[in-house]
Amino acid sequence: GDSVTQMEGPVTLSEEAFLTINCTYTATGYPSLFWYVQYPGEGLQLLLKATKADDKGSNKGFEATYRKETTSFHLEKGSVQVSDSAVYFCALTHMAGNNRKLIWGLGTSLAVNP
Amino acid sequence: DGGITQSPKYLFRKEGQNVTLSCEQNLNHDAMYWYRQDPGQGLRLIYYSQIVNDFQKGDIAEGYSVSREKKESFPLTVTSAQKNPTAFYLCASSQQGFAQHFGDGTRLSIL
Repeated sequence: GDSVTQMEGPVTLSEEAFLTINCTYTATGYPSLFWYVQYPGEGLQLLLKATKADDKGSNKGFEATYRKETTSFHLEKGSVQVSDSAVYFCALTHMAGNNRKLIWGLGTSLAVNP
Repeated sequence: DGGITQSPKYLFRKEGQNVTLSCEQNLNHDAMYWYRQDPGQGLRLIYYSQIVNDFQKGDIAEGYSVSREKKESFPLTVTSAQKNPTAFYLCASSQQGFAQHFGDGTRLSIL
């Protein structure tokens, strides 16, 4: 079945460091890919998305490129801030047919120190 | 502003008691979802509904029940049959096939 694998956390970085959180997937067809962020004690917020191969999603300085050849959607940010400390979830869903559930990774916790 | 409202933010259940978590959305979304979140286990789907008066079991539906009588509302009941209900519960909605929008969650604990 479809699945999403994220790198295990916690990831700890100093402010202004470069961030990469790896996400790979297994899916049939052509899924859409998402990154969500969860700040402490809150629900999830959509961070960015990509709907087809080679699309790049971007938001708030974060970027991820849909790589079909490597089945990956790695999240990157050039310079993290303390306010980026949160849990990041990678997810996929199919855009067609009756199956419209999201398949979730387990989440990667990021802590950014000043 | 459009969004999803979950209430209450914190809820306590006594042994043998059923409790109901509220989820209301004003985004005019067709689909709604309930997830359970436990530390280190990510999100697990409890129930989902793609249209009014219809819903399907997710991966961990045992001990839970839902209804979808109105497009805006998708309440979740945690029954006494759910032996380990302590968790963070998240409600979400989406237009069919598009990204899900989440509420702020309800934290359920056992007295």
